[in-house]
Order: sequence, then C-alpha cells, then structure tokens
Amino acid sequence: SAVISQKPSRDICQRGTSLTIQCQVDSQVTMMFWYRQQPGQSLTLIATANQGSEATYESGFVIDKFPISRPNLTFSTLTVSNMSPEDSSIYLCSVSDPGLAVSQYFGAGTRLSVL
Amino acid sequence: KQEVTQIPAALSVPEGENLVLNCSFTDSAIYNLQWFRQDPGKGLTSLLLIQSSQREQTSGRLNASLDKSSGRSTLYIAASQPGDSATYLCAVYSGAGSYQLTFGKGTKLSVIP
Repeated sequence: SAVISQKPSRDICQRGTSLTIQCQVDSQVTMMFWYRQQPGQSLTLIATANQGSEATYESGFVIDKFPISRPNLTFSTLTVSNMSPEDSSIYLCSVSDPGLAVSQYFGAGTRLSVL
Repeated sequence: KQEVTQIPAALSVPEGENLVLNCSFTDSAIYNLQWFRQDPGKGLTSLLLIQSSQREQTSGRLNASLDKSSGRSTLYIAASQPGDSATYLCAVYSGAGSYQLTFGKGTKLSVIP
C-alpha cells in the first residue's frame, strides 16, 4: 500500500492569488495524478505528473493555470494560479505503480475556497 | 469519450438493510473497474477492484459485479451499518496498462441507526 500526505488540507484564498498544494508519498511511485472535484461533480483528471519530464495535461487544463512539479519519485506539487471563485474545489493527489496491489491510492484532498 | 453514471445520487436506508448501488458506463471496452468510498476530509478509499476478465469481487460485506457487455456494475452492501455512511464512487480504467480513471458522480449513502 501507499500512504499519501497532502497539504494543506483546506484553505481560503483571495481572488487573483495562487496556492501550491503538496503531495508526499511514503514510497517511490512511477505515476502521480492530480484531480479536481468541483461541488456536486465527479473527479476530473487535471494532469499526470511524471518524474523527470513535463506533466501531461488533460483537455481543458493548461500549464499556465495549473503548473505541476515532480522533482523526485515521492513528491509533487500542484499550483492553482490566478485563482477565481470557479476554482473552488477539492483537489486530490493520487499515485500508481506496477508494484502496488491496488491500482490507485488517493490523498485526503485539499478543499479550496476562493473568495 | 467514456461516461460513467451512478444511480441513485443519494440513498437513505435503515440500519441492517441490504442495498445495491448501480454504475453504468458507455464504452464497454474497459480495462478494470474500481469502487471507492469517499469520506469528508479523508480522501478516497479503494473498496474493490474488478479486472476486465472477472465478473465479481467480494470483500467482507461488500460484493461488486461487472457485466462489460451491458456496461454495468453493481456494489452490493449486506447488513448495512451507520459506519457505511459515505459517498461511493465508481471509476473505470480504459485501455490495457492505462492508469487513468473516469469517475461517476457517486452515490451518497446514509444509514440510519
């Protein structure tokens, strides 16, 4: 199994500012993913973070708005830039690796409110 | 584009009742299907993973079935308990070796003592 620590757990931010969310895993993993869950909606994949290369973004998400870092096999950050109230969501980090029995493990999420 | 639908959106049952949660997907060419539980402030917990070659998986009071041809999966919870109250999410993996998940919106379950 994998234990994922995600920080912060929640935050309230002002419009126009940026927030960086951290995701730390207790073991080395090949793939890390960032999801967004808007109120009343399903989880939507933002991007796949690969160590040593640029993140791969899904349709509708761009690097300028959601820059991602993956400096090593146990850590990643997601920044939500120039925030607006529409960015108010839960952001979740997940990990996957061929060595893990379960296909994906999720962090507890970051609940973001933008005023 | 794969779409996952979960019915009902919310369900309230008395303690001890057996219940079924439904999940349907539009593209039957899935790789695996996974059921998760989401608790507020605690992220997602994997409950059951059904590989494409399997028809069902069981864990304790939980049983999940998969019918790829009809694009359906069900999660059966036996003898429900108040601690089962949570949102249950169905997600599918599309394509062999794919780790990308498409989620449904979930079913919010409340078990009344």
